[in-house]
Amino acid sequence: QKEVEQNSGPLSVPEGAIASLNCTYSDRGSQSFFWYRQYSGKSPELIMFIYSNGDKEDGRFTAQLNKASQYVSLLIRDSQPSDSATYLCAVNHSTSGTYKYIFGTGTRLKVLA
Amino acid sequence: ETGVTQTPRHLVMGMTNKKSLKCEQHLGHNAMYWYKQSAKKPLELMFVYNFKEQTENNSVPSRFSPECPNSSHLFLHLHTLQPEDSALYLCASSQDRGAGKSYEQYFGPGTRLTVT
Repeated sequence: QKEVEQNSGPLSVPEGAIASLNCTYSDRGSQSFFWYRQYSGKSPELIMFIYSNGDKEDGRFTAQLNKASQYVSLLIRDSQPSDSATYLCAVNHSTSGTYKYIFGTGTRLKVLA
Repeated sequence: ETGVTQTPRHLVMGMTNKKSLKCEQHLGHNAMYWYKQSAKKPLELMFVYNFKEQTENNSVPSRFSPECPNSSHLFLHLHTLQPEDSALYLCASSQDRGAGKSYEQYFGPGTRLTVT
């Protein structure tokens, strides 16, 4: 089982719709959760981070965390063509005082004009 | 701009060459990372430095040699690489708050490496 799993997509949504991106993780000790956006040929750019169960909103973005189900999601409201990119989910967990970031393979989002 | 810079942005090298990648962060962070990103694969963590000390070496071949002279600078020295080492090499930094908790990472623009 992969440590962080994402559907590779592409996920296609029409402009103005809500895009829903999902991520599951295997380590119950994971503490911090991150969403990055990566445009083709560019480096990952941090969009959101969440540490506690529930929702966290920032502009058009909402991160949702459910530790019991080991599930984190990203909602993008009023999707724009400029949101078309690969979205990476990352999980941080600590083992014996050291910590590791584990990334998923990413979900490619296409917003259709 | 994220406050993390990398040079060079593109590098083509032969298998017998020796080259170095440089990363500098201007964020006052105390942890720095090297990642490798190949097509169709997740980001692979290579090395982690906390307060200039290496805390993670993720089974990386010895042809990759990291160096962290201070908490703002990180190097990746390359020698006798293989064609399969061609990839995007990303540097990142974060603030380690101790007690096993770290915060979000900020990435540099990456170095696109091609080994011929």
